[in-house]
Amino acid sequence: QQQVKQSPQSLIVQKGGISIINCAYENTAFDYFPWYQQFPGKGPALLIAIRPDVSEKKEGRFTISFNKSAKQFSLHIMDSQPGDSATYFCAATQGAQKLVFGQGTRLTINP
Amino acid sequence: ETGVTQTPRHLVMGMTNKKSLKCEQHLGHNAMYWYKQSAKKPLELMFVYNFKEQTENNSVPSRFSPECPNSSHLFLHLHTLQPEDSALYLCASSQERTHQPQHFGDGTRLSIL
Repeated sequence: QQQVKQSPQSLIVQKGGISIINCAYENTAFDYFPWYQQFPGKGPALLIAIRPDVSEKKEGRFTISFNKSAKQFSLHIMDSQPGDSATYFCAATQGAQKLVFGQGTRLTINP
Repeated sequence: ETGVTQTPRHLVMGMTNKKSLKCEQHLGHNAMYWYKQSAKKPLELMFVYNFKEQTENNSVPSRFSPECPNSSHLFLHLHTLQPEDSALYLCASSQERTHQPQHFGDGTRLSIL
């Protein structure tokens, strides 16, 4: 009930391409879905977040797509750049304090 | 600079040692958290403090003992740790209101010999 399943574990994308990372959850009480970006030697940093009352949220090159009926959400990175190479974590929570994280996706953008 | 500072950045200790991890936040938040990040496992929430009071203990072994003297400081006291406790320990802070983002420090890399 508390799991968030994230895929793929690793992803290689060419510069300028679209990176897509998917997550699925089981607990229908979850009401806040953030994505975090983590660079080596650094802590996770909030990238973008969505509430289940909207199906899509866009901030610059980053877009979250949310499918409430399927209990799935995904991160799209448009025009991927080498500087986007990092580990990305999806998360879910009810109320935002008890975050449940996915296992992470190591993204590599080839120049 | 995330506004959340953790010290030390690296710590090597034997199983019989006692050490403490420190976290300080400069964001005016009133909630603080400890997470454990192990290789090939999701980040695991360990403890939550709201207004200095512990509100969540995620079944963490008693060899980990948190302390929150005020809303800006959080400690994790360690004693008699096991090799499987080697991990990156992350501190985070937020406002305790719902749907407020958590801001993470850069962590303490802990190695148990």
